[in-house]
Amino acid sequence: AQSVTQPDIHITVSEGASLELRCNYSYGATPYLFWYVQSPGQGLQLLLKYFSGDTLVQGIKGFEAEFKRSQSSFNLRKPSVHWSDAAEYFCAVAPYNTDKLIFGTGTRLQVFP
Amino acid sequence: EAGVAQSPRYKIIEKRQSVAFWCNPISGHATLYWYQQILGQGPKLLIQFQNNGVVDDSQLPKDRFSAERLKGVDSTLKIQPAKLEDSAVYLCASRIRQGGYEQYFGPGTRLTVT
Repeated sequence: AQSVTQPDIHITVSEGASLELRCNYSYGATPYLFWYVQSPGQGLQLLLKYFSGDTLVQGIKGFEAEFKRSQSSFNLRKPSVHWSDAAEYFCAVAPYNTDKLIFGTGTRLQVFP
Repeated sequence: EAGVAQSPRYKIIEKRQSVAFWCNPISGHATLYWYQQILGQGPKLLIQFQNNGVVDDSQLPKDRFSAERLKGVDSTLKIQPAKLEDSAVYLCASRIRQGGYEQYFGPGTRLTVT
């Protein structure tokens, strides 16, 4: 069955530390891949997306993500986390040649000073 | 450019009552989506419109949920009668056209059914 997995429900890091949020997908063909962030009481904001080409994509707010076909993964990274990065992060996929987004269950990021 | 607008932001109703949510997409966006986000889960697509036509409503519980997008701009989502399990955040999103995959989300309406 098609699925998106975010194995970490909750992650806590210290401000200034590096961050990696994991995302794995299960689809027959490489889908389009997205990371969204949701702050409390807010809608979802797109951080970055991958359609094709360079497997390392840069996004807003200093985030980047790397697509690894062999691992069916699209992990989100940031070299130095800021307190304002505390939020919920969602990985999403749009199966190839569709425009429907399927979301993972999210990872809640907590940042300690 | 104004974003996706939704109202109300919060709503509390008793079970078996009815409720309606409103969404105004970004100007010029032809595609509009309604998602349901239950606490602790990712958003789940309920219905997708292309202009004023329904593209996909396979996940919409049609016995109690209905949605319309008259004139291909604003949209309303209605629940009648509401159940306790309908407590969730209802998100509206829009996209400029088919082939442009980026969806822009509104702030959502948080519904509590007591």
